Amino acid sequence: DGGITQSPKYLFRKEGQNVTLSCEQNLNHDAMYWYRQDPGQGLRLIYYSQIVNDFQKGDIAEGYSVSREKKESFPLTVTSAQKNPTAFYLCASSLPGAYYDGYTFGSGTRLTVV
Amino acid sequence: AQKVTQAQTEISVVEKEDVTLDCVYETRDTTYYLFWYKQPPSGELVFLIRRNSFDEQNEISGRYSWNFQKSTSSFNFTITASQVVDSAVYFCALSEEEYGGSQGNLIFGKGTKLSVKP
Repeated sequence: DGGITQSPKYLFRKEGQNVTLSCEQNLNHDAMYWYRQDPGQGLRLIYYSQIVNDFQKGDIAEGYSVSREKKESFPLTVTSAQKNPTAFYLCASSLPGAYYDGYTFGSGTRLTVV
Repeated sequence: AQKVTQAQTEISVVEKEDVTLDCVYETRDTTYYLFWYKQPPSGELVFLIRRNSFDEQNEISGRYSWNFQKSTSSFNFTITASQVVDSAVYFCALSEEEYGGSQGNLIFGKGTKLSVKP
């Protein structure tokens, strides 16, 4: 079955460490997205990528980095510069420019700083 | 500027009650798309419905129904005869054509947490 796989489901990070969250899709979607979810805050866009080797900052990109070397993969690195990284992170994908079709979401990674 | 407002932060009902989740949006575009997603405790967002700005027909899918009114910029979601399995966070989202070609970005409301008690 086609879908989006995020791993790990739970991740613990020590302060000052970088961590990378994985997102893989087999839907043949060109566009991929990373959202952060905090309680009561809804979903906020971190980064998005419409095609391979290209990505754009979203609303809250500071302290995060991404790469898009393959169509299927869009990993997110939470760097030590992110002051409050504890949150739930959701990856999504869509057909290019598919504002009319919504997104397909992964099951998320819950990151906790210890 | 585009914006989605879900004024109800949390709603609690008893099973079999009907419940309506409100969604109000703001947009400059004449062509736009509205969505509802369900987020159960497992975390994954599940697509429920898409509606484009030219189609104001209400839609019913089983116990779910949606009321789209452009005059009040609202896209409300009603669950009839609620069940415990309906307990989740529900998000309303907006996508504008102006941004669709290069971005396809969905703007989300902050969500409404629905608790259905047996």
